[in-house]
Amino acid sequence: QSALTQPRSVSGSPGQSVTISCTGTSSDVGGYNYVSWYQQHPGKAPKLMIYDVSKRPSGVPDRFSGSKSGNTASLTISGLQAEDEADYYCCSYAGSYTLGVFGTGTKVTVL
Amino acid sequence: EVQLVESGGGLVQPGGSLRLSCAASGFTFSSYAMHWVRQAPGKGLEYVSAISSNGGSTYYANSVKGRFTISRDNSKNTLYLQMGSLRAEDMAVYYCARQLCPGAFDIWGQGTMVTVSS
Repeated sequence: QSALTQPRSVSGSPGQSVTISCTGTSSDVGGYNYVSWYQQHPGKAPKLMIYDVSKRPSGVPDRFSGSKSGNTASLTISGLQAEDEADYYCCSYAGSYTLGVFGTGTKVTVL
Repeated sequence: EVQLVESGGGLVQPGGSLRLSCAASGFTFSSYAMHWVRQAPGKGLEYVSAISSNGGSTYYANSVKGRFTISRDNSKNTLYLQMGSLRAEDMAVYYCARQLCPGAFDIWGQGTMVTVSS
């Protein structure tokens, strides 16, 4: 499985919105509604932010939202805050009897 | 508190072996598929291996197939990763993670560092 493609970095000012794309194929992102997103601060473990394309776990602010169109999934952070500065990774299920695949990662910078 | 705690990382020579453990607490361990994910220094996340809730099915990344073995002891609430024929490219922080649903992991351990060097 090849890694899903994400932009290397995105940035925005506090209060603005940023969107991170995650492009795969019909064998992963496009084939299933099982895309998840993770936030990772330096030296910390990843934290689940979105699963099943657009569902938020308990405790995750509604500023974080997910969507998918074809082979591309997206994570949008609205009302950007300083604490949102982190690395973000997407992940997709790729079918039974295989492991899924992670994205290449995107660094979000709050200006 | 729902928690995963990894142990067993350390320094190993190329070609050597190491066994990682992941102790689970605060939830019914035997009900969940479990995964190992690694992150090389300054790099992204990489799937390593997965195991079904009863241990009957296992999956491996091509990069570790034949060298690593995942297992679990549901009576001890513990997940394992036996790593052999270690290479420099296996050097990474290894995380264990609980599967919430296909392709999603809701609980992660703090990670354990594996250093492969002579």
